[in-house]
Amino acid sequence: GAVVSQHPSRVICKSGTSVKIECRSLDFQATTMFWYRQFPKKSLMLMATSNEGSKATYEQGVEKDKFLINHASLTLSTLTVTSAHPEDSSFYICSAYTGAGELFFGEGSRLTVL
Amino acid sequence: AQSVTQLGSHVSVSEGALVLLRCNYSSSVPPYLFWYVQYPNQGLQLLLKYTSAATLVKGINGFEAEFKKSETSFHLTKPSAHMSDAAEYFCAAMNTGFQKLVFGTGTRLLVSP
Repeated sequence: GAVVSQHPSRVICKSGTSVKIECRSLDFQATTMFWYRQFPKKSLMLMATSNEGSKATYEQGVEKDKFLINHASLTLSTLTVTSAHPEDSSFYICSAYTGAGELFFGEGSRLTVL
Repeated sequence: AQSVTQLGSHVSVSEGALVLLRCNYSSSVPPYLFWYVQYPNQGLQLLLKYTSAATLVKGINGFEAEFKKSETSFHLTKPSAHMSDAAEYFCAAMNTGFQKLVFGTGTRLLVSP
């Protein structure tokens, strides 16, 4: 099946710094990518929809100035957590839409903010 | 708005026993339905999907699910559990014409020897 790669898989940062997570579709072009956040022992919460070449659409309650999303090409979307705080610690997962009614998920990125 | 309900946050079975994970969706229009599996600290792997073709859908690793419109259900089953099936399972729905997935709260499957 299609492959979606996330990097880094784990990142630890100090409070107040910014962290960038990359999501790449390796063998297909994804006009739409999604970013999810997963809290411990919880389901996935959709944060935003990222469309190539346009601004991301954020879900209600998600701070767009804190979670910056850029979809610079058909194979790359990035999530930047700005001025990270311990409450931003979480598992972040991206998915990419193939255009054929199917989504493929990245392996996830675990962010720990000290 | 579309919602997905998974009954039981934990399901425990013995190795070799039947696995049944329940999922109900809320929509007047049957959506696309998915089951995903997640192993610890990993992303989601698609097990199977329903896209308005056959109501009985077969997936990977011996799993299958049956779409029942009258019950708005899409329960996941496997005849014989294996230790390697222990994981978190998520049911999800996508309205046709859209791309957003709405996830259920997940069910953790525990398999004992």
